[in-house]
Amino acid sequence: SQQGEEDPQALSIQEGENATMNCSYKTSINNLQWYRQNSGRGLVHLILIRSNEREKHSGRLRVTLDTSKKSSSLLITASRAADTASYFCATPSSGGYQKVTFGTGTKLQVIP
Amino acid sequence: DTAVSQTPKYLVTQMGNDKSIKCEQNLGHDTMYWYKQDSKKFLKIMFSYNNKELIINETVPNRFSPKSPDKAHLNLHINSLELGDSAVYFCASSKDREVYPEAFFGQGTRLTVV
Repeated sequence: SQQGEEDPQALSIQEGENATMNCSYKTSINNLQWYRQNSGRGLVHLILIRSNEREKHSGRLRVTLDTSKKSSSLLITASRAADTASYFCATPSSGGYQKVTFGTGTKLQVIP
Repeated sequence: DTAVSQTPKYLVTQMGNDKSIKCEQNLGHDTMYWYKQDSKKFLKIMFSYNNKELIINETVPNRFSPKSPDKAHLNLHINSLELGDSAVYFCASSKDREVYPEAFFGQGTRLTVV
């Protein structure tokens, strides 16, 4: 089964609004990552948050992590049409051989 | 200068055929993966190789056979293609033994079985 599940599955907002996506995961992690996938393209790494961090910012992105609830959220502020994409959370294993497992994704549409 | 490149980008073939998808990374990574993304955008890991050695095989039918001639290449061969194999297949790579590994993806191969 998938490690992470994003919520909502789809989100449609107006340009300029904020978009919030949530991710829940099942096992213990040492970090959680968010990726973006533009239509017809591969995934691109956006931001990583470590298990000992509660919040992290990168430009218009804000990620929170609550390890007690096994959940994370991605906030995109002042959204733009170019933010239209699918967003996935990922929970990599570490130390030994790597396995990056992805959630089910949130499809974001930003309407100009 | 593409970091992870896979070919072909599109592949249309008939049921029962055998086909291959090639993947190469120039990032010097030790670990490579194949993912399958279905029509609902559900991304599922299929295989993981580390330094040419198979590490993860996520209960993929044995019609799928990955081959890694060297650590920069991981090809996927599919025998006796079925309609349900239609999907987008992504190759990815990451550094081994990283505390916080990041995956780098190819642009995907859209396989359509007719």
